Amino acid sequence: SQTIHQWPATLVQPVGSPLSLECTVEGTSNPNLYWYRQAAGRGLQLLFYSVGIGQISSEVPQNLSASRPQDRQFILSSKKLLLSDSGFYLCAWSAWTGTNEQYFGPGTRLTVT
Amino acid sequence: QKEVEQDPGPLSVPEGAIVSLNCTYSNSAFQYFMWYRQYSRKGPELLMYTYSSGNKEDGRFTAQVDKSSKYISLFIRDSQPSDSATYLCAMSGLYNNNDMRFGAGTRLTVKP
Repeated sequence: SQTIHQWPATLVQPVGSPLSLECTVEGTSNPNLYWYRQAAGRGLQLLFYSVGIGQISSEVPQNLSASRPQDRQFILSSKKLLLSDSGFYLCAWSAWTGTNEQYFGPGTRLTVT
Repeated sequence: QKEVEQDPGPLSVPEGAIVSLNCTYSNSAFQYFMWYRQYSRKGPELLMYTYSSGNKEDGRFTAQVDKSSKYISLFIRDSQPSDSATYLCAMSGLYNNNDMRFGAGTRLTVKP
């Protein structure tokens, strides 16, 4: 069966510091990968998605970037965090076959102070 | 107008009640519909998905889609305290990777 991992679970960082959040998927090959941010009462906002190694599409201009160095690894980064980057970050995967169900990881709660 | 509208609640029901959760949407290109359950401080968990109008049943859960009215529902029968969570609807076109849209979520509490 497939499993998706995210770490860290919780992170408190000062403004201006760098960020690196990691997501890995087990039990599937060539998944589509997604980064979302969830704000209270506002649903899920798609930040980045990837259909393959090195292929990243950005949905929203922002202070963040994403990379996919390996087939089942997805990384969300920032060089300098802003207060507005605080939120709950979720990684998700879907099968490359085109079925649309997305499966989410446990999330990382980021607080920028 | 938002593409997906979902009443945020909160919704509070007694144990054993039938719960009805709803979403409306405006984009007729949406063909694939999903419901997620999210416990506090956890990632969303896929409950049900369907791509056709009508009803789909899975245990105590029934997903209903009315494409003509652009309206989807999730019914929970014999609700349990463990059903207390936020429920998110989601929808997308067929065969697309990046067009999934989510409702804001309805917070449900089932009281023993």
